[in-house]
Amino acid sequence: EAEVAQSPRYKITEKSQAVAFWCDPISGHATLYWYRQILGQGPELLVQFQDESVVDDSQLPKDRFSAERLKGVDSTLKIQPAELGDSAMYLCASSLARDQPQHFGDGTRLSIL
Amino acid sequence: GESVGLHLPTLSVQEGDNSIINCAYSNSASDYFIWYKQESGKGPQFIIDIRSNMDKRQGQRVTVLLNKTVKHLSLQIAATQPGDSAVYFCAENRANQGGKLIFGQGTELSVKP
Repeated sequence: EAEVAQSPRYKITEKSQAVAFWCDPISGHATLYWYRQILGQGPELLVQFQDESVVDDSQLPKDRFSAERLKGVDSTLKIQPAELGDSAMYLCASSLARDQPQHFGDGTRLSIL
Repeated sequence: GESVGLHLPTLSVQEGDNSIINCAYSNSASDYFIWYKQESGKGPQFIIDIRSNMDKRQGQRVTVLLNKTVKHLSLQIAATQPGDSAVYFCAENRANQGGKLIFGQGTELSVKP
């Protein structure tokens, strides 16, 4: 069964450093999402791509977060500089279309020291 | 307002019994709902979905019921097994907002052998 691939699985870094997460969606999925999940809560959308274009980044803290999907396939989410409050699970999901089920990767667990 | 919430944060059932997990939503315009299962350290796993033109949908050992009148949906798991232990989220897909998923806080299902 095709899966959404994410790396790294874990990232520990100090505040003020830069971090980057990578996501490879299921082949053929045009829509890609990045979510942040705090322990004990449901995921919250950060940014959504349709092919290479950003559709929704209204919840992305743009002073420190950036996301790109240059060729409309894989995607990178970056944080610079990282803050203590950024510690969370960062999940990537993809779907064939906006009204189709989203399939998630296993995420990157980020810990900021 | 935006909210998709679960009535119970934890549910404990005996192996072999049926489980019922409930979810309330507030946006009457929502027309697509998804149930996810999330095991510790993993991303949400798609279980089953339902659109608003249906009130019931069945999968393998799972059934989702949708009551649009009271804005409520439930997930029924038949013959619950230890492998069903996880956190279950209902999510509301806002197709008119680009397919944005609004998650509830989750219900932790614990299966006693």
